[in-house]
Amino acid sequence: NAGVTQTPKFRVLKTGQSMTLLCAQDMNHEYMYWYRQDPGMGLRLIHYSVGEGTTAKGEVPDGYNVSRLKKQNFLLGLESAAPSQTSVYFCASSPRGYGYTFGSGTRLTVV
Amino acid sequence: DQQVKQNSPSLSVQEGRISILNCDYTNSMFDYFLWYKKYPAEGPTFLISISSIKDKNEDGRFTVFLNKSAKHLSLHIVPSQPGDSAVYFCAAVLKTSGGGADGLTFGKGTHLIIQP
Repeated sequence: NAGVTQTPKFRVLKTGQSMTLLCAQDMNHEYMYWYRQDPGMGLRLIHYSVGEGTTAKGEVPDGYNVSRLKKQNFLLGLESAAPSQTSVYFCASSPRGYGYTFGSGTRLTVV
Repeated sequence: DQQVKQNSPSLSVQEGRISILNCDYTNSMFDYFLWYKKYPAEGPTFLISISSIKDKNEDGRFTVFLNKSAKHLSLHIVPSQPGDSAVYFCAAVLKTSGGGADGLTFGKGTHLIIQP
């Protein structure tokens, strides 16, 4: 049982480049989330989705876009990466309720 | 302004003793609280939770206490074991969130170190 899988696990980008982070869950969960974790900052919500075809902004959405075309996948896009987006990104999913399952993270460095 | 606060960045406890991790919140609209544990290079994993209608929830070695009037919760680990060394995050859910749909609000975390 894979749970929540994030790809890639590591990535280095140059300023201005674009990339997409993929999150896939095999638990048939309705809700999916993208968080970022910075040193001393805890986890902050970027965007989330409460169902296929829906997305909503979280606490720190600027510079990111998301899509949820299929229930099991939630994509996080950076159109023009900036050094301030250097962070560890976590995807999570949950059924209707509070039972979050997190992925193992993507460590992104923007130089 | 931070709505969920964990004021101790780190805590060192001897193996076998009690570990007490604290969390304060400012928003009275939070009605459900969770603790997550995180090892390096892994995602957070759920540990224990408590609803605002309760003041205590226990699961094995882990107990969470909620003091609504003080807007304070604490996680007790008894006895502490070496495998408990990790970062612990306190998180909260808003009453208006429709069952947690719009995400969790996290504290900054406390790094618990269990010394042999």
